[in-house]
Amino acid sequence: QFALTQPASVSGSPGQSITISCTGANSDIGGYNYVSWYQQFPGKAPKLMIYAVNNRPSGISDRFSGSKSGYTASLTISGLQADDEADYYCSSYSSGPSLVVFGGGTRLTVL
Amino acid sequence: EVHLLESGGGLVQPGGSLRLSCTVSGFTYSNYAMSWVRQAPGKGLEWVSVISGTGADTYYAVSVKGRFTISRDNSINTLHLQMNGLRAEDTAIYYCAKDSTANSHNFGSGTYDFWGQGTLVTVSS
Repeated sequence: QFALTQPASVSGSPGQSITISCTGANSDIGGYNYVSWYQQFPGKAPKLMIYAVNNRPSGISDRFSGSKSGYTASLTISGLQADDEADYYCSSYSSGPSLVVFGGGTRLTVL
Repeated sequence: EVHLLESGGGLVQPGGSLRLSCTVSGFTYSNYAMSWVRQAPGKGLEWVSVISGTGADTYYAVSVKGRFTISRDNSINTLHLQMNGLRAEDTAIYYCAKDSTANSHNFGSGTYDFWGQGTLVTVSS
């Protein structure tokens, strides 16, 4: 199992907004602001979408946003588009035993 | 342009060894910690190991500690993962990943802004 807990799947219609939660503990999400979100398409490498809880790398649409409360982080995608359909993973810096922990991933389906 | 390219994957028998390499370009390699992250077929991401920019410090996941060794050669912009005592559960795509924070002396932020395309390791008899 994975240190961070994500829903296995979420879905939404084009134009709608969805939120993916990521629950950890005080030793990871709760203790650090190094929470990241990655998007992964089948057969491809992960792509950084959000870093340091709520920051977007250059080139990432502002439809993607992140937040954190306590030891739960969230990724919100607004104005859903068909090409948002992918797997999404959260990660966090951790005090141990692993330096970095990931969630199990959430499959986003755009209806 | 930042580029990471893994090599060295393949089929190996249980108990065997394999050495993965990752060649990088497009950034000052020695300024960044580098990590290996793996993904078993159809499964999620698992962090494996990290090495500081200088190469002086390393850290491993419990699942691979004592069997895997991470190293780097800053003179030729290369990262390695020596994998010994391989087990069926080590079967995965192995990605090398660049930390987003420039600091040669620690493990960075654990945020990965660039990834390689991955190399598949299959452990089976």
